[in-house]
Amino acid sequence: KAGVTQTPRYLIKTRGQQVTLSCSPISGHRSVSWYQQTPGQGLQFLFEYFSETQRNKGNFPGRFSGRQFSNSRSEMNVSTLELGDSALYLCASSEGRPLNGYTFGSGTRLTVV
Amino acid sequence: AQSVTQLGSHVSVSEGALVLLRCNYSSSVPPYLFWYVQYPNQGLQLLLKYTTGATLVKGINGFEAEFKKSETSFHLTKPSAHMSDAAEYFCAVSEVYKLVFGAGTILRVKS
Repeated sequence: KAGVTQTPRYLIKTRGQQVTLSCSPISGHRSVSWYQQTPGQGLQFLFEYFSETQRNKGNFPGRFSGRQFSNSRSEMNVSTLELGDSALYLCASSEGRPLNGYTFGSGTRLTVV
Repeated sequence: AQSVTQLGSHVSVSEGALVLLRCNYSSSVPPYLFWYVQYPNQGLQLLLKYTTGATLVKGINGFEAEFKKSETSFHLTKPSAHMSDAAEYFCAVSEVYKLVFGAGTILRVKS
């Protein structure tokens, strides 16, 4: 069974630009979550989607947005990039119930210069 | 809201020694608890999880954890450390449609 696939693995962007990250969940998983990992703030929850509906959202500014498609693939977008957005962005997929746990992808390393 | 505290941002053990990584949680409801491991430049890999039932949970790579409700703890142990165990370990508690993570513990294994 293929794992969670995140593309691209690495990305360098300039302040003020926007970026789109992609996540393909494990086949059959209908829930996709996104997390931001930084040395200073650790792992922080961005949002979770289930069957194209956002069920939960973390405490991030509106510049961070996401969506999920009918095939469960998900994208997250960050507009007007700031230096502080430099982070590892992790996607996790799940069958949708908390007790099932979450399977993480390898992440996208975003560097904003 | 749930929270997780991992005691010790860095733990150092000798190869073959016991590994003990501490995790305490706060939760207003019976928790689902997880331990994840992260190797450099990689994502998170699930080591083990506690949902219901047996309080001693066995995971991959010889790790296990014991859920102690009275102590609100979920410490991770491994009887004998191996060099390949060097990584960062995260304890997490499940909240509504998300995980709340601890700050992480970096495990160093000395030869």
